[in-house]
Amino acid sequence: DTAVSQTPKYLVTQMGNDKSIKCEQNLGHDTMYWYKQDSKKFLKIMFSYNNKELIINETVPNRFSPKSPDKAHLNLHINSLELGDSAVYFCASSQGALVANGGYTFGSGTRLTVV
Amino acid sequence: KQEVTQIPAALSVPEGENLVLNCSFTDSAIYNLQWFRQDPGKGLTSLLLIQSSQREQTSGRLNASLDKSSGRSTLYIAASQPGDSATYLCAVIPVRAAGNKLTFGGGTRVLVKP
Repeated sequence: DTAVSQTPKYLVTQMGNDKSIKCEQNLGHDTMYWYKQDSKKFLKIMFSYNNKELIINETVPNRFSPKSPDKAHLNLHINSLELGDSAVYFCASSQGALVANGGYTFGSGTRLTVV
Repeated sequence: KQEVTQIPAALSVPEGENLVLNCSFTDSAIYNLQWFRQDPGKGLTSLLLIQSSQREQTSGRLNASLDKSSGRSTLYIAASQPGDSATYLCAVIPVRAAGNKLTFGGGTRVLVKP
């Protein structure tokens, strides 16, 4: 069973469109994240949700809106897509205080290409 | 602000050699450090997690050490195989960061030649 699953795996769309990426985890974790990996392969956090509550919003443009309907799901909606949004987006999850447990689990990523 | 650096950025070794990958971080106040592997076009696979109170972790041919005071971690891969070719990323969770945010290094791209 896939622990953290993202859909779609690939997304090609035109500038100005609105798109969504879905993420689900079946690990029972209470915290979920979105990370962005740019063309230089650097991974940076975008958002973090704990029990459906926004914890981190790392100066991401407000065209990006995460939505967490329950603690097992964290979706990412992007409005008015721009060329610079092209990247790989990773969903991840973890359980509470990471001091005593198994760290992060990542999904396999969604490669977004804006043309 | 926590910064994580991985040197070298790329490494090529013949099969059978031991791999030594370095990771350094600027703020020693961390909860833990995690090593990941990323294959081209794929997601991140967790390799080893070292809690701040630990000095090392081992899994099969992999061994990771942590020296918090000097802000360093080293990932050793014994008897490398072509299947070890991938990008290796280290990441820390800084104590001073909200929400268990992972701060990543830029990665070391490894090529093991048969």
